[in-house]
Amino acid sequence: EPEVTQTPSHQVTQMGQEVILRCVPISNHLYFYWYRQILGQKVEFLVSFYNNEISEKSEIFDDQFSVERPDGSNFTLKIRSTKLEDSAMYFCASSEFGTLAKNIQYFGAGTRLSVL
Amino acid sequence: GIQVEQSPPDLILQEGANSTLRCNFSDSVNNLQWFHQNPWGQLINLFYIPSGTKQNGRLSATTVATERYSLLYISSSQTTDSGVYFCAVELYSGGGADGLTFGKGTHLIIQP
Repeated sequence: EPEVTQTPSHQVTQMGQEVILRCVPISNHLYFYWYRQILGQKVEFLVSFYNNEISEKSEIFDDQFSVERPDGSNFTLKIRSTKLEDSAMYFCASSEFGTLAKNIQYFGAGTRLSVL
Repeated sequence: GIQVEQSPPDLILQEGANSTLRCNFSDSVNNLQWFHQNPWGQLINLFYIPSGTKQNGRLSATTVATERYSLLYISSSQTTDSGVYFCAVELYSGGGADGLTFGKGTHLIIQP
């Protein structure tokens, strides 16, 4: 069964450093998403991406964050200058269709980001 | 924004018991998904169920969209059912790719 793949599974970084989290969505999917989950809390939406541009973003997704689809298979989330409060599990998701159709989102296994 | 409330927040059961988890949401939705987060943190899709009833083995789900709630039923619980169960909804906004709004989850512990 096709799956969303995320790398690395765990990333440790120093405060102020830039990190790039990588995702390979399911191959025929057109819509891509990033979510985060702070330890012990609920999953929160960050951003959605379609046709090489941001479709929606939440208040969490400020200027420190950016997303990119650098080639035909990868989808990345960059945090420019990490803060302690960025420590969380980051999930990538993808869906075949958008809001107006059967929009089942499939999630990757997550990248646990630890900012020291 | 849309509110998603899950109950109960915690549930401890013996192996073999049945359980019902509830999800209430505050607005009309285009998408509703149930997930199981296992002890390794993975989010496993259980159901896509914006309305109606579905069954998959020991699990079933019902969404009554007009009354804005969904129920997840787990029968004959096994220890591997332990974890956090999340309900997540997508508000209908007329297009694009909207994010899911998650509830806080129900933490289920199945004891042998």
